[in-house]
Amino acid sequence: EVQLIQSGAEVKKPGESLKISCKASGYSFTTYWIGWVRQMPGKGLEWMGIIYPGDSDTRYSPSFLGQVTISADKSVSTIYLQWSSLKASDTAMYYCARHGVHTANSWFDPWGQGTRVIVTS
Amino acid sequence: EVVLTQSPGTLSLSPGERATLSCRASQSVSLSFLAWYQQRPDQPPRLLIFGASSRAPGIPDRFSGSGSGTDFTLTISRLEAEDFGVYYCQQYLHSPFSFGQGTKLEIK
Repeated sequence: EVQLIQSGAEVKKPGESLKISCKASGYSFTTYWIGWVRQMPGKGLEWMGIIYPGDSDTRYSPSFLGQVTISADKSVSTIYLQWSSLKASDTAMYYCARHGVHTANSWFDPWGQGTRVIVTS
Repeated sequence: EVVLTQSPGTLSLSPGERATLSCRASQSVSLSFLAWYQQRPDQPPRLLIFGASSRAPGIPDRFSGSGSGTDFTLTISRLEAEDFGVYYCQQYLHSPFSFGQGTKLEIK
């Protein structure tokens, strides 16, 4: 069974750094694109970016380029989403999701359970 | 960036009724690279439809997708209580692979 297990909820202060994770299992980690989706409180889904763990090729939405960093560690089948300096507006639920087939032009399936990030002073 | 506009914003229907949800793209999504997801409260999204009309494994046949180019439709033939939630379309042809703003399907 393909599973994506995300790290737990975080409460941080503005200006702090943060790295959340998504551990994959049940498939060949290096051969599927996998990415991150943001959902701000009460709002819709926003595509942030994707990574191909095989060679770490990464694509970002222009809205998130320079704001976050997506990375992967093949040795532990895990991808990460990282902020160097959090803002209150980063408060959201973050989902990881794998692409359905072996190409970047593909739907998301399955999804992780979500990681809630709260940034408050 | 491709903008997906979903309508209506909210749909109020009763169990047993038919639901028709629309997703319109600002430019052509050729090859039908469009998916539909369902999100229930406090749950992650779940894939329903990919390739505009192919049901994901385990999805009941009361869900169907259609359309091409810039106009796509998700139809739920006979609503059940578990179908209520928010539905999103997503195009995966042009990066960034944008989502629509969602249609909330609520019990009347």
